[in-house]
Formats: sequence, C-alpha cells, structure tokens
Amino acid sequence: DAGVIQSPRHEVTEMGQEVTLRCKPISGHDYLFWYRQTMMRGLELLIYFNNNVPIDDSGMPEDRFSAKMPNASFSTLKIQPSEPRDSAVYFCASSPRGGLADTQYFGPGTRLTVL
Amino acid sequence: AQSVTQLGSHVSVSEGALVLLRCNYSSSVPPYLFWYVQYPNQGLQLLLKYTSAATLVKGINGFEAEFKKSETSFHLTKPSAHMSDAAEYFCAVNHFNKFYFGSGTKLNVKP
Repeated sequence: DAGVIQSPRHEVTEMGQEVTLRCKPISGHDYLFWYRQTMMRGLELLIYFNNNVPIDDSGMPEDRFSAKMPNASFSTLKIQPSEPRDSAVYFCASSPRGGLADTQYFGPGTRLTVL
Repeated sequence: AQSVTQLGSHVSVSEGALVLLRCNYSSSVPPYLFWYVQYPNQGLQLLLKYTSAATLVKGINGFEAEFKKSETSFHLTKPSAHMSDAAEYFCAVNHFNKFYFGSGTKLNVKP
C-alpha cells in the first residue's frame, strides 16, 4: 500500500489567498484525521471523519477553516482567507476501524507558509 | 479536561545507554495511551499502544512502555540506544473519544 498521500508537500502563499490541502487515506480505512503542528501549539487534532461523515470538528480554529470528505478516498482542508498565523505543517492520518482508539497512519504532511 | 505531560523537551543519551522518556496523563479513568515517533520531515509512526490489556507493552524497534495506574504514567524505555533512535517522540491519549498529543521529547543520541 502507498500509505497516506498528501499534496502538495509544500505550499507558499500570500495572506488572503485560498489554500486547499489534499489527502488520500489508505484504502479500506474508515477514519480520517486532520492535524496541525506548530512550534507554539504542538500537534492539534482539527477534525476527523468516520465513513466520510465529520464526527468532531471542535479543533477547527475558526470559520476560515473547512474540511470535506466527498468520498472514501479523498479529503480536503481549505483555508479561506489564509493568514500568516496559519503557517504550520498539516498532517492527514487514517485508521482502520477503531478510530481514535486505533493506530493512526500519518501522511508526510504539507508545510504551509503564509506570507 | 484530559492532558498529557511529557517531562523534558530534549533528552540526550549516549549510544548504548538506556533511553527513558516520561509521559504522565491526567485522568481518573485509564485511557488508551500511545507513543508515536517522528523522524525529521516525516509524519508520525506508531511505536506502541496500551488498550487496557497487558500493562507492559512492547513496540517496534526494541521500545517498550509500562502503564502504571497508580502513578498515571506511561513512560517509554529502550535498554540500549542506537543512533537511528534520534527523533522526536510523542505520547498521546485517547480519552472518551478526545485525542491529545503531548508536547514531544526530542531524543539526541551521542556516539
């Protein structure tokens, strides 16, 4: 299996622009997670899906952030408009059936820089 | 609220020495506990997890962790450090379907 795939690996954008991060989970995994990693706040769970349905989005920082999972093999995290404080590494992860009690398989991350 | 505390943001050991990375959680109910490792510029990889079975959990790469309810701890150990163990290690907790990572401990291994 190719593992969790994220694109792009690096994104540099200017403040106010829309940013879309993409994730392809491991085939057959029922859960998908989006995380943000910064020096100041560490690793934070933003949102997670079960069978394409958002279960908990309490970690989404504000309305500028939105996430979708239109099908079992694709998810997006969108920031509109982007701000410099959104600069971080964004990870996508998936897990088979146990959700947060199960092993999560992480993608390589997208490093976002907002100028 | 559930929290995870990792004591020591940086730990340095000599190659061949014991590795001990500390993790404490705050909960009256034992949660699910995990240790993940992150190598530079990579995503996280599971080392081991505790799910209320054996209190001593063995993981990959020779690591193990012991769940101690009385101390609310889940410390990670390895008897003999290898240069390839240099990475950042995260303790994590799943408690009532809320998931929290600790702040991480960077392990440096000296030759």
